Amino acid sequence: GDSVTQMEGPVTLSEEAFLTINCTYTATGYPSLFWYVQYPGEGLQLLLKATKADDKGSNKGFEATYRKETTSFHLEKGSVQVSDSAVYFCALSFTNAGGTSYGKLTFGQGTILTVHP
Amino acid sequence: DGGITQSPKYLFRKEGQNVTLSCEQNLNHDAMYWYRQDPGQGLRLIYYSQIVNDFQKGDIAEGYSVSREKKESFPLTVTSAQKNPTAFYLCASRKGRRNTGELFFGEGSRLTVL
Repeated sequence: GDSVTQMEGPVTLSEEAFLTINCTYTATGYPSLFWYVQYPGEGLQLLLKATKADDKGSNKGFEATYRKETTSFHLEKGSVQVSDSAVYFCALSFTNAGGTSYGKLTFGQGTILTVHP
Repeated sequence: DGGITQSPKYLFRKEGQNVTLSCEQNLNHDAMYWYRQDPGQGLRLIYYSQIVNDFQKGDIAEGYSVSREKKESFPLTVTSAQKNPTAFYLCASRKGRRNTGELFFGEGSRLTVL
C-alpha cells in the first residue's frame, strides 16, 4: 500500500541554522504531496503542497520540491527560528482520473523539530 | 471565525465505557474525517464522510463508530471494543470534492483510559 517515510527525529537546531527534513514515499501512481505542521497543543495545519512532479511548494520560508525520480519531497528552510519548533508531517493524497480527490491523507510518522535561541 | 471545534479537549474513561467525541465545523465543508495520532506513528484514518448520511471506514475503524446526520457534525464514538483507545484524536474537514484539497484540522481531543 501507499506509505510515507520521514527522517528519524527529533531534530535539534540553533536559531538561524539550515533545516532539512527528508521525506520519501511509496505509491502506485502520482500523488499530491503535502507538509503539515503541528504546533504544541494544537491540531495540524497545512504548511505547503505540490500536486505534480517538479512543482515547488513554499510558505513561511519553507520549501519542498516534488521529485518523481527519487519519490521524495524534502522540507527545507534556510534559517530557522525558535517559533518553528513543532512537529512536521509529510503526507500524500490521490486525485482520481476524474480530478476528484477523496482527501484521504497518508501521513509519515512526524519529525519533532526543536530550535534553540 | 470559521473553524472546527472538537470537544472535550481532555477525556478520561474507565475500561468498558463508551465515549463520544464531538466535532463541529462551520466552514460549510462537505467532507469530514477522524484521525488517530499516536507517538511516533503519525496519523491514521479512522472514518471519513463525504456527504451527509454517508461514511466509510478508514484504515483502523475497528472499535469505533460514527454518524453524519448533519453537514456540520461528525461525532466519533470510541466503544469498549477498541482495545487500545488511549490516544489523541483529530477531526478534519475538506471543502468540496474536486482537486487535492487542503484539510482543516481541529485542535484535537486527548482520550485516556484509566
